[in-house]
Amino acid sequence: GAVVSQHPSWVICKSGTSVKIECRSLDFQATTMFWYRQFPKQSLMLMATSNEGSKATYEQGVEKDKFLINHASLTLSTLTVTSAHPEDSSFYICSGAQETQYFGPGTRLLVL
Amino acid sequence: GQSLEQPSEVTAVEGAIVQINCTYQTSGFYGLSWYQQHDGGAPTFLSYNALDGLEETGRFSSFLSRSDSYGYLLLQELQMKDSASYFCAVPPDNTDKLIFGTGTRLQVFP
Repeated sequence: GAVVSQHPSWVICKSGTSVKIECRSLDFQATTMFWYRQFPKQSLMLMATSNEGSKATYEQGVEKDKFLINHASLTLSTLTVTSAHPEDSSFYICSGAQETQYFGPGTRLLVL
Repeated sequence: GQSLEQPSEVTAVEGAIVQINCTYQTSGFYGLSWYQQHDGGAPTFLSYNALDGLEETGRFSSFLSRSDSYGYLLLQELQMKDSASYFCAVPPDNTDKLIFGTGTRLQVFP
C-alpha cells in the first residue's frame, strides 16, 4: 500500500508559539490530502482538505487563520498551528488519497 | 449532516468472534469503510462496502444494509493483537474525504 509520513512524530511547545507539521506521500502523488485531529479516546475529526496548488477547504468550526495549511507540491502538505494554546494539544493525523485514504503515523502535539 | 454511531467498547476472549455495529445517518451514501487504529498509531484500512451484503477479507468481514443504514465489522478467531479501536467511516459526498464514526474500543483477553 501507499506510504504517508509525518514529521515530527511528537512536539512540545510553549503557549503562543507556532508549530509546523509536515505530511509527505512517499510513493505516490497526492493531489488531495486531509488533516484530522484526534483527542484522547475520541474519534478522528476532519479539520480540512488540502488541495495541491490551491487553498485548503476547512470544515465547519475549524479556524482557518489558526490552522494554516499549505499544499505546495503533489507530495507535501503542511499544517501550521499558529499561536498554539494548551487546548490545541492533540494528535494530528494526515492522509493522502489514492483510491482509498492512507494515513500518516500522526503527530502528537503538547502545548505547555 | 452526517453521524455514525458505534458502541463505545466491546470485550471478548481469544479465539472468539465479535461483531462491531455501525449505524449511520447521511445525506447521500457513497460506501462504508472500516479502519483499525492501535493506541498512538495511524488508522489502517480494513474493509469497504458499497453494496449490500458481506465482504470477507481473511479473519475480518464487513456487512452492509443500506435500507437499514447499518453495517457491522465481524472479527473471527480473535487474537490479542486485535485489541485496538475500530472506526466505521463514510464519505459525506462523492469525494475522497471521510467522516468517522464514534469508534469502538475492542479488548481481547486471554
